[in-house]
Amino acid sequence: DIQMTQSPSSLSASVGDRVTITCRASQSISSYLNWYQQKPGKAPKLLIYAASSLQSGVPSRFSGSGSGTDFTLTISSLQPEDFATYYCQQSYSTPDTFGQGTRLEIK
Amino acid sequence: EVQLVESGGGLVQPGRSLRLSCAASGFTFDDYAMHWVRQAPGKGLEWVSGISWNSGSIGYADSVKGRFTISRDNAKNSLYLQMNSLRAEDTALYYCAKSPGLELLNWFDPWGQGTLVTVSS
Repeated sequence: DIQMTQSPSSLSASVGDRVTITCRASQSISSYLNWYQQKPGKAPKLLIYAASSLQSGVPSRFSGSGSGTDFTLTISSLQPEDFATYYCQQSYSTPDTFGQGTRLEIK
Repeated sequence: EVQLVESGGGLVQPGRSLRLSCAASGFTFDDYAMHWVRQAPGKGLEWVSGISWNSGSIGYADSVKGRFTISRDNAKNSLYLQMNSLRAEDTALYYCAKSPGLELLNWFDPWGQGTLVTVSS
């Protein structure tokens, strides 16, 4: 199985900050990498698919990049509603696997 | 509007069975693969199983292989997960999620609100 490792596991930031979350795959997954946001008590929401494609309706302050084994999710200017947990997921091979999550907290 | 509504969760004893259902609406159900993803209390996300549009391709996580069976009824716009030989470690919120295409390997969007399965004596 492909292992997905996110860093950091948690992060404190302020409104207006630029934030980057990293996801590393244990082998090359081309661009088969997706990002989700989950708020407490809610289902995950797709933000980015295929490494860099912004899902419809998602604010443009979210962006994704990378290919192969190293990927990043960037939030250009944090808004209050962005404080949540973020997960990466590889869809290169079965079983699909998720990173352990990055909890983004208010500083 | 795409809607996915899970049901069938509850409290069950170890070793017993449970069947989850996911009712889909707002899209042509038999045009898309579907998945089950779970989240143990306070933990991360774990893909459980997926099924292609015509049930021709099915996949399972190693943790549930041989115990869980995914199925779908396209005439009823419904997805199912038959869970046998349940263990304490199967305790989780189980989400139903839609793929953007016919086959398994893809992203998940949208997700239902989940149904809680608690395995305990």
